[in-house]
Amino acid sequence: EPEVTQTPSHQVTQMGQEVILRCVPISNHLYFYWYRQILGQKVEFLVSFYNNEISEKSEIFDDQFSVERPDGSNFTLKIRSTKLEDSAMYFCASSGQVKTDTQYFGPGTRLTVL
Amino acid sequence: KQEVTQIPAALSVPEGENLVLNCSFTDSAIYNLQWFRQDPGKGLTSLLLIQSSQREQTSGRLNASLDKSSGRSTLYIAASQPGDSATYLCAVRGTGANSKLTFGKGITLSVRP
Repeated sequence: EPEVTQTPSHQVTQMGQEVILRCVPISNHLYFYWYRQILGQKVEFLVSFYNNEISEKSEIFDDQFSVERPDGSNFTLKIRSTKLEDSAMYFCASSGQVKTDTQYFGPGTRLTVL
Repeated sequence: KQEVTQIPAALSVPEGENLVLNCSFTDSAIYNLQWFRQDPGKGLTSLLLIQSSQREQTSGRLNASLDKSSGRSTLYIAASQPGDSATYLCAVRGTGANSKLTFGKGITLSVRP
């Protein structure tokens, strides 16, 4: 069964460093998302992406964040200058031909900022 | 702003019991509602999706219902098993251009052998 994959599974970085989190959505999906979950808190929406552009972003998704679909398969989240409070589990998700289809989530990348 | 609440935060039941997990949301203008399972340190597994026009969905021992007008959904688990132990999250998708999911904090279920 097709699934969303994410790499790395765990990323440790120093405060102020740039990180890139990678995702490979399900191959025929058109809508892509990033969410994050700070330990012990709710899963929070960051950004949605369709047709090579951001379709919606939350107030969390400030200028430090960017997303890109550099080729036909990868979807990346970049954090330019990480802060301690960026430590969280980051989930990528994708959905099919219609934006209200089921969203399928990847296993997540645990980001630890020291 | 949509708020999703799941109470209680944790639940412990003996194996074999039928149980109901509750979810409430403040804005009834939703496209659909999705139930997920999350194992510790893992990703989210989609269990059931209910469209706003539907009243319920079933998959195996799971049955999810939706009462959009009252802002409530329930996930019914029949004949619970220790393997059902996990955190169960509900999430709603708003209408219009909004395609994001708004999540509850989840209910951590422990099924005792």
